[in-house]
Amino acid sequence: EAGVAQSPRYKIIEKRQSVAFWCNPISGHATLYWYQQILGQGPKLLIQFQNNGVVDDSQLPKDRFSAERLKGVDSTLKIQPAKLEDSAVYLCASSFGGPQGGIQYFGAGTRLSVL
Amino acid sequence: SQQGEEDPQALSIQEGENATMNCSYKTSINNLQWYRQNSGRGLVHLILIRSNEREKHSGRLRVTLDTSKKSSSLLITASRAADTASYFCATARRGTDKLIFGTGTRLQVFP
Repeated sequence: EAGVAQSPRYKIIEKRQSVAFWCNPISGHATLYWYQQILGQGPKLLIQFQNNGVVDDSQLPKDRFSAERLKGVDSTLKIQPAKLEDSAVYLCASSFGGPQGGIQYFGAGTRLSVL
Repeated sequence: SQQGEEDPQALSIQEGENATMNCSYKTSINNLQWYRQNSGRGLVHLILIRSNEREKHSGRLRVTLDTSKKSSSLLITASRAADTASYFCATARRGTDKLIFGTGTRLQVFP
């Protein structure tokens, strides 16, 4: 079974530039999550999709971050413009979903450095 | 906000020793999960314990859950150098399928 795919693995940009990350979840997983993990901390949920609808984006800085999940499969997360404090690893995860809080499967992440 | 707090923040042991890490949380939960993260990699699910369970085993892993104290512990027995990683607890709050991750314990196992 193929895992969660993310690209790119690494990205270096200057502040005020824009960047986009891509995620392909495990086939059949209805729920997709984007997390931000700052060095030395646990992952923080940015946005959760159920199929192609947003379930929770309460922690997403909407003035600069946006995300979409076309056709309920692949997803992209965009930052425009980037700030120094956006330097982090961006993790995508997927799950079957449901109200009980099931197991999430994570991609390898994209490490973003904003200079 | 991160709900879970883990203790210790860092742990160094020799191969063959046992490693114990603890997690405390704040609200009522459906379940609590433990994940491992190797340096530069994504998180890998280790074990899930439901709110009505008190103890669970998986190979060399033993997890306990005390809902009255809102705490959990992860025990890794007979540790190996390959167990070197960060370990995170994550709680699924009642009525949601969102996970809230703790701050993590960095485990170093020396050969």
